[in-house]
Amino acid sequence: NAGVTQTPKFQVLKTGQSMTLQCAQDMNHEYMSWYRQDPGMGLRLIHYSVGAGITDQGEVPNGYNVSRSTTEDFPLRLLSAAPSQTSVYFCASSYSGFTEAFFGQGTRLTVV
Amino acid sequence: GIQVEQSPPDLILQEGANSTLRCNFSDSVNNLQWFHQNPWGQLINLFYIPSGTKQNGRLSATTVATERYSLLYISSSQTTDSGVYFCAVEDSNYQLIWGAGTKLIIKP
Repeated sequence: NAGVTQTPKFQVLKTGQSMTLQCAQDMNHEYMSWYRQDPGMGLRLIHYSVGAGITDQGEVPNGYNVSRSTTEDFPLRLLSAAPSQTSVYFCASSYSGFTEAFFGQGTRLTVV
Repeated sequence: GIQVEQSPPDLILQEGANSTLRCNFSDSVNNLQWFHQNPWGQLINLFYIPSGTKQNGRLSATTVATERYSLLYISSSQTTDSGVYFCAVEDSNYQLIWGAGTKLIIKP
């Protein structure tokens, strides 16, 4: 099993550019989520999904969009990148909301 | 919302030492997980432990849900144990709330 796969691993964007961070899982998990981790801090929830077609906002959703057209994929879109979005982004999945969460390897994003 | 506090924030030990990391949370939670973030940034699941005690090799964890805390024990530390240890709890909205972590450095 590949588990949770994120691409790309590294990305540099210019201010104002848009991009999509990809996340895919092969465990047939219903619950998927995106977090950002800033230096010296724990993770903060951006958006999450409890199943295909259902998404909701987390703690820090501004500047990001998500969609969930399939169970496997949960892309995160940055609409107009800003330096404040420089961070490490993690995607996670779990079988349901109350079960163990598994994380991808992270995407290190720098906005200049 | 739920507050998660981890202590100590930093811990420096010699190889072979034992350590206890603590996670306090401010309200009832649906589950609790411990993670190790290695120096390369990868998050590794250690324990899924909403209550009770679990052991995995040199690591063990205990959660006392009624008293709102969890402990992670590391015995006979190795340099590969270095990194940041996070506690994360799940609230009633399925959201994982993270502590700020304990940075552990094991010296050879």
